[in-house]
Amino acid sequence: AQSVTQLGSHVSVSEGALVLLRCNYSSSVPPYLFWYVQYPNQGLQLLLKYTTGATLVKGINGFEAEFKKSETSFHLTKPSAHMSDAAEYFCAVSDTNFGNEKLTFGTGTRLTIIP
Amino acid sequence: GAGVSQTPSNKVTEKGKYVELRCDPISGHTALYWYRQSLGQGPEFLIYFQGTGAADDSGLPNDRFFAVRPEGSVSTLKIQRTERGDSAVYLCASSSTPGQGVSEQYFGPGTRLTVT
Repeated sequence: AQSVTQLGSHVSVSEGALVLLRCNYSSSVPPYLFWYVQYPNQGLQLLLKYTTGATLVKGINGFEAEFKKSETSFHLTKPSAHMSDAAEYFCAVSDTNFGNEKLTFGTGTRLTIIP
Repeated sequence: GAGVSQTPSNKVTEKGKYVELRCDPISGHTALYWYRQSLGQGPEFLIYFQGTGAADDSGLPNDRFFAVRPEGSVSTLKIQRTERGDSAVYLCASSSTPGQGVSEQYFGPGTRLTVT
């Protein structure tokens, strides 16, 4: 069974500061890893994903994440926070069973940006 | 083109009633997923369709929940004898043909179900 743990249900950072949202996963097979963002009253939007290859993945809106197999982590970072980054962020894992890519999500981290 | 749409956006029903939630996936997407998001939680997988067939229904919580996709496009999630614990946001997602690399799942805005 797969699982995802997101440390910190709420994170606050000042505008312009580094954003770091933590995600650890558990998977018995090589995982596919995802970060989704959810703005109020909107659907989930994919920020970035890791499948194979380069372990540092760049996504939209200046976000990136690094897959570290030895640490079973996939932390999300952004060098400089913007007010528009305020949202809920979900880390998710999918196994490499082609044909069924159901996602297992973490409980989410609500990011607040302090002006 | 249009994204994934879900109707209704909000549904309030009384305990014990039957409800249907509809999902219109992106045109041409063969894979369709239903998830349920309870307050303060991440989405939880319910069921996966590949074409018309339910390829994985392991996430359905009990036999009160059922979903169909008769023509391989629109899907309906059906909940019988609703309970207050069914209150949640029900999310639908679709993706293009799987098995050719990882397909991005595109999510709809969800249906917020409230059982009173």
